[in-house]
Amino acid sequence: AQSVTQLGSHVSVSEGALVLLRCNYSSSVPPYLFWYVQYPNQGLQLLLKYTSAATLVKGINGFEAEFKKSETSFHLTKPSAHMSDAAEYFCAVSTTGGGNKLTFGTGTQLKVEL
Amino acid sequence: EPEVTQTPSHQVTQMGQEVILRCVPISNHLYFYWYRQILGQKVEFLVSFYNNEISEKSEIFDDQFSVERPDGSNFTLKIRSTKLEDSAMYFCASKSDRGSTDTQYFGPGTRLTVL
Repeated sequence: AQSVTQLGSHVSVSEGALVLLRCNYSSSVPPYLFWYVQYPNQGLQLLLKYTSAATLVKGINGFEAEFKKSETSFHLTKPSAHMSDAAEYFCAVSTTGGGNKLTFGTGTQLKVEL
Repeated sequence: EPEVTQTPSHQVTQMGQEVILRCVPISNHLYFYWYRQILGQKVEFLVSFYNNEISEKSEIFDDQFSVERPDGSNFTLKIRSTKLEDSAMYFCASKSDRGSTDTQYFGPGTRLTVL
């Protein structure tokens, strides 16, 4: 079965600092990976996705993620944090076949401090 | 930009009562999903639906749950007899194509509180 693990349930950074949110996957087949963001009291919004076309994926709001097969990782980064980035971030993997459900990680709450 | 909508935003019910959560997926989408998120926990898959039938369901989706697409626009989740542990945020999602890489678009969620 495919799964993702997010290290660090809470991450705190200063405004302007690098954001690094970690996600490792487990999959016996090439995975399709997603990062979603959830702002307070809102639904899930897609930040970016890896579909095997390119290992470095750029998303919205200045976020990007790099797929590293050797490390089974898909970490999310942003060079300079903004206060508006404060939210919960979920890594997810899409299963092949069936209904293509998403299996989510436990989420990382990002706090941005002045 | 098209979006998935859900109603109501918050539903409070008594244990043992039936609830129906409603979703309007994006109009040209063909694949529909329900997920739930218990407070403080991760988002969990419940069920996927395509061509008027369930394509996959999780262990959570037992006989108390059912889904329906009663017309060309709505997609509903019914919980027949609610339990305290059904209290959660329920998200509907939809996508247009069959592929694993296609984006699922999520609605804002319905917060269900079972008393």
